[in-house]
Amino acid sequence: EIVLTQSPATLSLSPGERATLSCRASQSVSSYLAWYQQKPGQAPRLLIYDASNRAIGVPARFSGSGSGTDFTLTISSLEPEDFAVYYCQQRSNWPLTFGGGTKVEIK
Amino acid sequence: QVQLVESGGGVVQPGGSLTLSCAASRFSFSSYGMHWVRQAPGRGLEWVAFIRYDGSNKYYTDSVKGRFTISRDNSKNTLSLQMNNLRAEDTAVYYCAKDFYSAALQGNWFDPWGQGTLVTVSS
Repeated sequence: EIVLTQSPATLSLSPGERATLSCRASQSVSSYLAWYQQKPGQAPRLLIYDASNRAIGVPARFSGSGSGTDFTLTISSLEPEDFAVYYCQQRSNWPLTFGGGTKVEIK
Repeated sequence: QVQLVESGGGVVQPGGSLTLSCAASRFSFSSYGMHWVRQAPGRGLEWVAFIRYDGSNKYYTDSVKGRFTISRDNSKNTLSLQMNNLRAEDTAVYYCAKDFYSAALQGNWFDPWGQGTLVTVSS
């Protein structure tokens, strides 16, 4: 099973600041990595797939990068609605697995 | 837009059974693989099962193999998850999710997700 490790667990930032979230895989997943956003009481929402492609309707301030074992989700300038939990997910191997999540909270 | 509505959650005793359903609409259900993903209270996400668009293949996470069965009825646009021999650790919100790509032979990305149904396993 491919283990995805997200860091940091919590990121405390102010609106307008840049957020950089990390996801590290226990083995190469090529570019088969996605990012999801989950707000309290809501289902997750796909943000980025294939490491760097934004899903339909996702604002341009969200960007993904990386390949192999190291990936980054960047939010260029945090909006109030961006404070949430973010998960990475790989589809390189069965079982499909998620990282433990990074909570982006208001400082 | 795509709509996924889960139902069937509730409280069940350890060792009991429950069947979850997911009603799909506003997309060509028979063209997409479907997933179940769960989230224990206050915890992260865990993929549970995937079924191909035509039902020809099914995949499960190890912890549910032999206890859970994913199935679909393309004539009724419905996805199901039969859960047997339930354990306390199965307590979670269960989400159904559409696979990102049509006619995919393996699981990919989850997009979109339903709102989930809560399953509580407790005596």
